[in-house]
Amino acid sequence: EAGVVQSPRYKIIEKKQPVAFWCNPISGHNTLYWYLQNLGQGPELLIRYENEEAVDDSQLPKDRFSAERLKGVDSTLKIQPAELGDSAVYLCASSLGRGDYNEQFFGPGTRLTVL
Amino acid sequence: AQSVSQHNHHVILSEAASLELGCNYSYGGTVNLFWYVQYPGQHLQLLLKYFSGDPLVKGIKGFEAEFIKSKFSFNLRKPSVQWSDTAEYFCAVNEGTYKYIFGTGTRLKVLA
Repeated sequence: EAGVVQSPRYKIIEKKQPVAFWCNPISGHNTLYWYLQNLGQGPELLIRYENEEAVDDSQLPKDRFSAERLKGVDSTLKIQPAELGDSAVYLCASSLGRGDYNEQFFGPGTRLTVL
Repeated sequence: AQSVSQHNHHVILSEAASLELGCNYSYGGTVNLFWYVQYPGQHLQLLLKYFSGDPLVKGIKGFEAEFIKSKFSFNLRKPSVQWSDTAEYFCAVNEGTYKYIFGTGTRLKVLA
């Protein structure tokens, strides 16, 4: 069974440029999460989807970050415009259910460097 | 706010040494506890989890963790580490919701 797929794995952009990350969750997993992981820190939740609905986006900086999961499967996270402080690893995870008793499976992440 | 503390940021051990990584959390209610591992160049993987029952939890690759409610702790242990255990280890907590709170991680380096 394929795991959570993310692309690109690495992205280098200049500040003020837009960037987008893509995630394909494990087949059948209706809950999808985007996390931010800064260097030397643990992952922090940005947004959670139940199918196509964003049910918790309280930690998403909405002035520059946006996300979508139009058909309840793949998801895209976008930053526009990127700032130097956005350099981090962006992780996608998925689970069968709401995640409290269902294990979250993580993708390999996208490492973003903003110059 | 709920928090998770991993006091050992870097640990270096020789092969066959015993390992114990500390994890303390701040939430006073019922919690679910997890240890994740990230091997170099790989994604986060679940090592073990505790929801209820026996506070001594066995995970993959010979790892175990003990939940001590009175100490708000969930320390990870392995009697004899191997070079292949070199990785970063994250403790995580949730209080019965979807939201994991992760610790800052411990980088373990095992010398061959």
